[in-house]
Amino acid sequence: EDQVTQSPEALRLQEGESSSLNCSYTVSGLRGLFWYRQDPGKGPEFLFTLYSAGEEKEKERLKATLTKKESFLHITAPKPEDSATYLCAVPQAGTALIFGKGTTLSVSS
Amino acid sequence: DSGVTQTPKHLITATGQRVTLRCSPRSGDLSVYWYQQSLDQGLQFLIQYYNGEERAKGNILERFSAQQFPDLHSELNLSSLELGDSALYFCASSVGVAGGFTDTQYFGPGTRLTVL
Repeated sequence: EDQVTQSPEALRLQEGESSSLNCSYTVSGLRGLFWYRQDPGKGPEFLFTLYSAGEEKEKERLKATLTKKESFLHITAPKPEDSATYLCAVPQAGTALIFGKGTTLSVSS
Repeated sequence: DSGVTQTPKHLITATGQRVTLRCSPRSGDLSVYWYQQSLDQGLQFLIQYYNGEERAKGNILERFSAQQFPDLHSELNLSSLELGDSALYFCASSVGVAGGFTDTQYFGPGTRLTVL
């Protein structure tokens, strides 16, 4: 069965304290891995798409990487405005996305 | 702003009632997806339409139905509502180009449904 598992469930950081979020997946024939950011009560906001192992993408303080079994979202020198839930998703049998439960990040100043 | 619009933002109704949620995809996108997000289940795929045709179905209840119109907007109909249907309902859209990889889905702001 296709699955996406994210860890940790919650992460509390001090401003400037770098860390990584993990997304492990089991799916046959990966057709892409997607990272989204979601603020409370809002729709998921697209961050990155990764298609092949070894691929990396960056946006401001965020960098996403992909291996054959997992993806990491590295957050460098986070700021309070980076506080949100980060969701990882992979497509299942076509285009419907399977989402992980997410990692809720809190950054305090 | 993703370019995907959803109405209404909030909906409060009673058990047994029927409601309709509306979604307009980004300009140029042919695929529309509906997802449900509840506290205990996370984001769950319901159904996908591509250029007016149903393309894929997830864990959508028989009481729920959807359609995509010629102008590509989509509606999700929820009937015989139960307390457990209270959730955030999101619409997403993508270009929907066929190929070896899945294209990016862009989400709307959601409709918060409360069933009393």
